[in-house]
This record gives sequence, C-alpha cells and structure tokens, in this order.
Amino acid sequence: AQSVAQPEDQVNVAEGNPLTVKCTYSVSGNPYLFWYVQYPNRGLQFLLKYITGDNLVKGSYGFEAEFNKSQTSFHLKKPSALVSDSALYFCAVRDGGPSNTGKLIFGQGTTLQVKP
Amino acid sequence: DGGITQSPKYLFRKEGQNVTLSCEQNLNHDAMYWYRQDPGQGLRLIYYSQIVNDFQKGDIAEGYSVSREKKESFPLTVTSAQKNPTAFYLCASSPGTEAFFGQGTRLTVV
Repeated sequence: AQSVAQPEDQVNVAEGNPLTVKCTYSVSGNPYLFWYVQYPNRGLQFLLKYITGDNLVKGSYGFEAEFNKSQTSFHLKKPSALVSDSALYFCAVRDGGPSNTGKLIFGQGTTLQVKP
Repeated sequence: DGGITQSPKYLFRKEGQNVTLSCEQNLNHDAMYWYRQDPGQGLRLIYYSQIVNDFQKGDIAEGYSVSREKKESFPLTVTSAQKNPTAFYLCASSPGTEAFFGQGTRLTVV
C-alpha cells in the first residue's frame, strides 16, 4: 500500500535561514513524488515533482527537494526562508509502476511558520 | 481561462439533506479526484476517476457518491448517510503525473 509520512506538524524558522520540511514515503513500484502548498481557505498549489532523473528537483518560489531512494525520503528545502513562505505544506506520492492505480496519496501536512 | 472550478465556495446543509458539489475542468485531463480535508488530518481520498464513465472508491467513500458522465465534470454528492459531512472539499484533475486543484468548497451542517 502507498503511504506518506510528514513527521513534523510544525516547522519554525527565522526569515533568511534555510528551511527543511521532511517527507518519507512507501510505494510498491517506482514513486512519483510531489510537494504542494496551501494558503488558508484555498486549494493546493503545485510546487515541484520527482518522476525520474536527477535526485535534486527545483520548483516554484525557490523551493527544491531531494529524492533519496535508500532512505525513501523526499525532503523539501529552501536556502533562505521568507515570511511569505508561511503556509501548510503537503507531500504526496503515487505509484508510477505497473501496479499504478492512479491514486494520489497525501501526507498529513506540515505547517511552516517563518518569523521576521 | 483554464483551470478547475468548484462551486459553490460555501455550502450549508440541513440534517438529512443530500447536497451536490460541482467540479468542472477545462484542462482536458482524464483523471479527476475528490478529497476531504479536516483540520489536522490532511487530505483523504473520497473517490477518483481515471476515465469517463468509470470511478473507484477512495479511502473514505461511505456516505458519498459520484458520477463521471463527461470528461469535464466530476460532481460529488454528500448523502444523508454521511454522518459528519462538515469539512473542506477539494477537487483535482491530473494529466497523468501531478494534480491540479480547485479552490475548494466548505460544507457546513446546520
């Protein structure tokens, strides 16, 4: 079965400092991995994805994520946080292998709080 | 203007009523999804459809029903059998990899 874990309910960082939001996953085939951001009372906005290729993926708004197959992780990172990055972040996975059911499974979400 | 449109933005339901949430997309995507979001519980999959006239139950399908008669439309009906329907409902569509989301419908039981 597919699953995603975001071990931190909240991450607090100071503006200008690097940030990391953690995600680990479990799929039976090759993983397709995604990060989304949600602002209050809004839908989810796509940030970046890993399908295949380079383990370091660059996305919108200066975010990047590192795919680590051995640790089954896909942590979201940004070198310098902004107050405007404060939001709810979701990691998601779908099985890209032969058993692909089309289901997209989300983690519980991590609230990022960037303080001035 | 391309995208996914959910309506209404806010919806109030009386006990025992069925209500239908609309989701329309003009992105020509085959796959569409419905998720429910509750505080602290992330997104849970209700139903999904990979092609017209076909759909599958997600993790929390009880008390919900869907139809997929057109590629553009994937309406969700919250029936009276759903005992705790107050939540934020999100519709999404996908061309095969990432999903794109509508702005959500907040349903409240009054």
